[in-house]
Amino acid sequence: AQKITQTQPGMFVQEKEAVTLDCTYDTSDPSYGLFWYKQPSSGEMIFLIYQGSYDQQNATEGRYSLNFQKARKSANLVISASQLGDSAMYFCAMREGRNFGNEKLTFGTGTRLTIIP
Amino acid sequence: DGGITQSPKYLFRKEGQNVTLSCEQNLNHDAMYWYRQDPGQGLRLIYYSQIVNDFQKGDIAEGYSVSREKKESFPLTVTSAQKNPTAFYLCASSMSRDYITDTQYFGPGTRLTVL
Repeated sequence: AQKITQTQPGMFVQEKEAVTLDCTYDTSDPSYGLFWYKQPSSGEMIFLIYQGSYDQQNATEGRYSLNFQKARKSANLVISASQLGDSAMYFCAMREGRNFGNEKLTFGTGTRLTIIP
Repeated sequence: DGGITQSPKYLFRKEGQNVTLSCEQNLNHDAMYWYRQDPGQGLRLIYYSQIVNDFQKGDIAEGYSVSREKKESFPLTVTSAQKNPTAFYLCASSMSRDYITDTQYFGPGTRLTVL
């Protein structure tokens, strides 16, 4: 079973509009962390935002926020006031557990976001 | 500037050749990782290392080898045993102090093409 599911292969959004990128996850571990990365056409993965399973509030970093719905196992990325420079691939990733050996990040297949002027 | 460097940016290999991809970090991070990315897919873990002189296999280690002789460096060798090595390779590092919150930071990547 897929641990991280991103159901939107591609999205087109008008500049200055808000956009929500979907991510659902599957784990039975009570301790986990969720990460979002941006990958521009240059290829480098850029860390955007982190949410821990025990965090009571949704994470925010500038124009990025994470809509964390634990019961639904959902961790959607919200980008407010989109800009042309937001055009990129976006990946959701998860790390499970606190035990040594669980350092692996499991990635989704990504969503390609295109901002239209 | 602190960061992660990877070289070369592009690499071409003939079948049957071993090639080594370089990864260096000056962030004083304990942990380093190698991922492979194929078109239209997410990243898959090849190898990772938490401390010098120690490393662990990831999900797709077959046909790859690594070394960790220095904290700053984690080179990846793609051997001739790797049947389909054409891909984008990304190196990452992290502080590795708390496994849940530990954030991995990535280098610019190396694109390997087998001719």
